[in-house]
Amino acid sequence: DAGVIQSPRHEVTEMGQEVTLRCKPISGHNSLFWYRQTMMRGLELLIYFNNNVPIDDSGMPEDRFSAKMPNASFSTLKIQPSEPRDSAVYFCASTSQGGKGFGGYTFGSGTRLTVV
Amino acid sequence: AQRVTQPEKLLSVFKGAPVELKCNYSYSGSPELFWYVQYSRQRLQLLLRHISRESIKGFTADLNKGETSFHLKKPFAQEEDSAMYYCALSGTGFQKLVFGTGTRLLVSP
Repeated sequence: DAGVIQSPRHEVTEMGQEVTLRCKPISGHNSLFWYRQTMMRGLELLIYFNNNVPIDDSGMPEDRFSAKMPNASFSTLKIQPSEPRDSAVYFCASTSQGGKGFGGYTFGSGTRLTVV
Repeated sequence: AQRVTQPEKLLSVFKGAPVELKCNYSYSGSPELFWYVQYSRQRLQLLLRHISRESIKGFTADLNKGETSFHLKKPFAQEEDSAMYYCALSGTGFQKLVFGTGTRLLVSP
């Protein structure tokens, strides 16, 4: 398995533009998480899905952020319009429920977003 | 509510010195605790989890329910241990992981 795959690895965009980040979870994992990492605030959970259904989006900063998971193998995080303060590394992670206990997440390599 | 506290933003030690990265948690139920490591500009990787009671790369961590702590320890630090370390907690029910703010470990020669 190639692990959790995120694209693009780097994104530089101008303020006001729409940005779409993509994530492909590990096959068979039924839970997917979007995190934002900054120096000031560390890792913040933005939203997570279970069986493609959004469970908790209370971490989404504001209405400019939206996330979808149309099927078990794909999720997007969209920012529209983007602002400089959105600059961060965005990580996607997946895990599977069930089995003997919770084994933790598998993270993607992240998307480094810079909004200028 | 679940909360993880890592009081140190930066821990700087010399090679060969012992290391202890502190982690305290708040959770009313029975938690599962994890340590994740992030090497420079790489993805987060699971280092160890308390239920496994294992030692990875010389690191160990013991869950102390009385003190609500899960400190990460290594007797002799190596330069390649320099990284960002995150403590994380999962409660019962849905397996949402809550992370601490992380501690940067810097091991100097």
